Amino acid sequence: NAGVMQNPRHLVRRRGQEARLRCSPMKGHSHVYWYRQLPEEGLKFMVYLQKENIIDESGMPKERFSAEFPKEGPSILRIQQVVRGDSAAYFCASSPPGQGQSPLHFGNGTRLTVT
Amino acid sequence: KQEVTQIPAALSVPEGENLVLNCSFTDSAIYNLQWFRQDPGKGLTSLLLIQSSQREQTSGRLNASLDKSSGRSTLYIAASQPGDSATYLCAVRPDTGNQFYFGTGTSLTVIP
Repeated sequence: NAGVMQNPRHLVRRRGQEARLRCSPMKGHSHVYWYRQLPEEGLKFMVYLQKENIIDESGMPKERFSAEFPKEGPSILRIQQVVRGDSAAYFCASSPPGQGQSPLHFGNGTRLTVT
Repeated sequence: KQEVTQIPAALSVPEGENLVLNCSFTDSAIYNLQWFRQDPGKGLTSLLLIQSSQREQTSGRLNASLDKSSGRSTLYIAASQPGDSATYLCAVRPDTGNQFYFGTGTSLTVIP
């Protein structure tokens, strides 16, 4: 049973470009969370999605950031017109339905560097 | 807003020692609490999940306790090994809302 898969592992973008981060949850998991980890800081919640629905995006910056979790395929975190401050590790986590009782499972993250 | 604090920020112990990592949270209205380890450049590995109705959970050499009313959890590691070296994070899920709140972690080094 494969774990949470994130790709790419490392992504380098120039300022102004777009970054697309992908997350395939564990088999049977329909809940996806995105977190951002800045150096020397804890993980900060960005968005929580279920299939085809954004449930909570209270941690997502209002501009340039968007997320989706389509019926088919991985969840995508999209950052438009990246700036240096977007450089961070972005982690995806998933959980099954009835997610309150189950642990979160994390992927290995995508490390975004904006030059 | 829930705030999660982990003390100490870093800990170095000789191999074989038993140790305790601490996690405190400001709002006791939690649904569950989860302990993770994170190795450098890697993701988070789930260690233990404690539901709010539970007092402790055990897995091998690890034991996590929860005192919800005082806003504290501890992770006890018995007979530490060099392979235990990692950053340990605790995360709290509140009764309401969808996000987990993370502490900044304790960086553990076990010296052979």
